[in-house]
Amino acid sequence: DQQVKQNSPSLSVQEGRISILNCDYTNSMFDYFLWYKKYPAEGPTFLISISSIKDKNEDGRFTVFLNKSAKHLSLHIVPSQPGDSAVYFCAARGFGGGSNYKLTFGKGTLLTVNP
Amino acid sequence: NAGVTQTPKFRVLKTGQSMTLLCAQDMNHEYMYWYRQDPGMGLRLIHYSVGEGTTAKGEVPDGYNVSRLKKQNFLLGLESAAPSQTSVYFCASSGLGRELFFGEGSRLTVL
Repeated sequence: DQQVKQNSPSLSVQEGRISILNCDYTNSMFDYFLWYKKYPAEGPTFLISISSIKDKNEDGRFTVFLNKSAKHLSLHIVPSQPGDSAVYFCAARGFGGGSNYKLTFGKGTLLTVNP
Repeated sequence: NAGVTQTPKFRVLKTGQSMTLLCAQDMNHEYMYWYRQDPGMGLRLIHYSVGEGTTAKGEVPDGYNVSRLKKQNFLLGLESAAPSQTSVYFCASSGLGRELFFGEGSRLTVL
């Protein structure tokens, strides 16, 4: 049973336009959400995160929105650049310590930004 | 600034052979993890550790064993490799309540 779902395996956008990547989760115990970016032959790198007490977090061109009632989050990239082309993973974590610090990942969305 | 280092980066095994993947981190992190990435499956947690001397099972632990004898090292072992274990393996570490830092990955092929 997938607890973190990224229903779009791929997304293609034009350079300069907005990229919107979506993620849904089913576990109401998740309280912290992260986005990771992965280039081929490299490890995932942390991009941005959001706590369940917020509904928006911005970092430069990247903004993550959280809708707790819908159990949905999205990553907005504005403006999109060709260097943003990568696989983006959504991840979630439960609250508390110990085993809750492990992350559950979605299957990823391949973003292609065309020049 | 090494961060998380995995060795080896590539390995080819025959079915039934054994091997160990080594993960080392120099950030004094308490938590360490082993994930595998397969096409269309995302990142799945194999085993993890919340501190030196402790280990726990993740989503897909069967066929793997782990050890965390030193805080900075987390070993992933395959006792009898199977073709289904062909994958890219990622080690990660994290501090308390912080994001995970990943290594560059180890590509394993089991023939």
